[in-house]
Amino acid sequence: GAVVSQHPSRVICKSGTSVKIECRSLDFQATTMFWYRQFPKQSLMLMATSNEGSKATYEQGVEKDKFLINHASLTLSTLTVTSAHPEDSSFYICSPRTGGPGNEQFFGPGTRLTVL
Amino acid sequence: AQSVTQLGSHVSVSEGALVLLRCNYSSSVPPYLFWYVQYPNQGLQLLLKYTSAATLVKGINGFEAEFKKSETSFHLTKPSAHMSDAAEYFCAVFGSARQLTFGSGTQLTVLP
Repeated sequence: GAVVSQHPSRVICKSGTSVKIECRSLDFQATTMFWYRQFPKQSLMLMATSNEGSKATYEQGVEKDKFLINHASLTLSTLTVTSAHPEDSSFYICSPRTGGPGNEQFFGPGTRLTVL
Repeated sequence: AQSVTQLGSHVSVSEGALVLLRCNYSSSVPPYLFWYVQYPNQGLQLLLKYTSAATLVKGINGFEAEFKKSETSFHLTKPSAHMSDAAEYFCAVFGSARQLTFGSGTQLTVLP
């Protein structure tokens, strides 16, 4: 089956710093990458969608200048939380997909971000 | 538009009892439907999916779900619960929005 890794799995940072989260699809090519955030005891909320080599499309209410997404290759995408604040503390999950809509999405193990 | 409603944010069953987790959806086009399981501090694992083939779908770990168009439902069942089934379960729809929309989740507790 598809293997997706995220690094780091947990990160604690001070308010005002930036944090980069990496998502790798280890055995398939991710033409599309979805980034979700999940607050405790809640569902996954889509933050943005990116296609390899293109700018990401952000969902309403998600600040594109705060959550920088790079999808420069078919196996790597990064999410950078800039100038993090405590309210950004959450569980971030990447979800790569190969091919077009309707193909299966796979999910990374998630990154727990805590901003002090 | 598309949406998913999971009835019951918490479900408790005894070990060996039937598991029933409810999911209703709306979609303006024929949907694909999914059930995922999430263990604490982990990502999502696909349990099963419906993609317009057989309406009764069998998944991993003994779970199955039945697509009922007339009821717009896709309930998840397992005949006999195990302690290891305790987790959060999410129903999701892929429909007119051409992206996954998740339900609010159901926490399953299995009592010894």
